[in-house]
Formats: sequence, structure tokens, C-alpha cells
Amino acid sequence: DAEITQSPRHKITETGRQVTLACHQTWNHNNMFWYRQDLGHGLRLIHYSYGVQDTNKGEVSDGYSVSRSNTEDLPLTLESAASSQTSVYFCASSESISSDTGELFFGEGSRLTVL
Amino acid sequence: SQQGEEDPQALSIQEGENATMNCSYKTSINNLQWYRQNSGRGLVHLILIRSNEREKHSGRLRVTLDTSKKSSSLLITASRAADTASYFCATVEKYGNKLVFGAGTILRVKS
Repeated sequence: DAEITQSPRHKITETGRQVTLACHQTWNHNNMFWYRQDLGHGLRLIHYSYGVQDTNKGEVSDGYSVSRSNTEDLPLTLESAASSQTSVYFCASSESISSDTGELFFGEGSRLTVL
Repeated sequence: SQQGEEDPQALSIQEGENATMNCSYKTSINNLQWYRQNSGRGLVHLILIRSNEREKHSGRLRVTLDTSKKSSSLLITASRAADTASYFCATVEKYGNKLVFGAGTILRVKS
């Protein structure tokens, strides 16, 4: 069965370190998204990609970067982790969210703690 | 900023009762979607309603959409303890291609 997997599921790091969260999907979807979830804020969009070599900034992109070298993967990098980036991060993919079948498929999340 | 805002923030009901959650949004939309999230898990898609639809059903779920009021409601009938979860509405803006989520409603169904 097709799926979307995130790793690591839990990570503790220190302020200033670089961190990369992996996201891999086997749906063959062109669209991939990274969200962060914080209490009281719901899910906020960090970065998204509509295909290979395409990346776009979301509403909370400062301090984060992504790259899309193939269809399956969209790694999220925190260049210099800050305590404000302690959160749960979700990766998602879709075939086309503006269509009638435009649902997102989510990973199980990566809980990141920055000390 | 969030497009959708859910109301209430939290809801506690007895098993067998109906649960209604509301969502308001700000701009013209292509479609509106509802998602469910069990504690510690990823979100799961429940239902999608297009901007030209007014009501949609899926099992015990009923979703309505009022584009003139920029609002939607999710009704879960005959609730079960297993329905305990957070529920989020999300919108795709007209001509847009990304989903914007609200803050969610926490539903607790007591058995």
C-alpha cells in the first residue's frame, strides 16, 4: 500500500544545531507540504512543493528550508534550530487539492524539541 | 494567518448524542475539507465539499456549506467513544492549490 513516512518520529536537539526531518511518500504525488502544529494555532504551512525542483514558502517559512530532488522526498531543514521551533511537524502529499479528489495524506508527525 | 476558525474549541458529549462543529473562513474558496486527528497521530481526511455544493453526507457525517456566510458545519450523528479526536476544517482558496487549516475542535465522547 502507498504511504507517507516521516523520520525521525522524535528528536531532541540543542539551539543552533542543524536538523533535517525526512519525508518520503510512495503515492507518486506531485504536491508535498510541510506543516507545524502548535497548541492553539492548528496547522501552519511552512513550505510546499508542486513538483521536482519546485519549492514555495508558506506562512511560517523563516528558519526553514526544503529541497525537492525527486518526486518521493521533501526533506525539511532547520538551519539553526531555535527554541521557538519546538513543535510537531507534519508532512503531507496530494494529487491535486483543488480538484474533487483533492485530499491530503499525512504522515504520523515528527516531534522536535529544541533545548 | 488561518483561513478557517472552528467553533467551539472543545466539545464534550455523551455517547449516542450528536456533535456539531462549525467553521468560518475569510476568502472565496474552491473547496472545504474536514479532517480528524486522533491523539498523537497524523490527520485523516473525512470529507470534501465543493464551493457549489450545499450539503454532503458520508456515513454518520453530514457537512453543510454556506458560501454567503463563509461558514461550514460538521455533524456527527449517534456519536461513539471512538469519535473522540480533534477535528479540523481546511480550505483551498479559489484559484489556490494549498490547504489552510483552522485551529480545530477537540471532541470528547463519554461512554
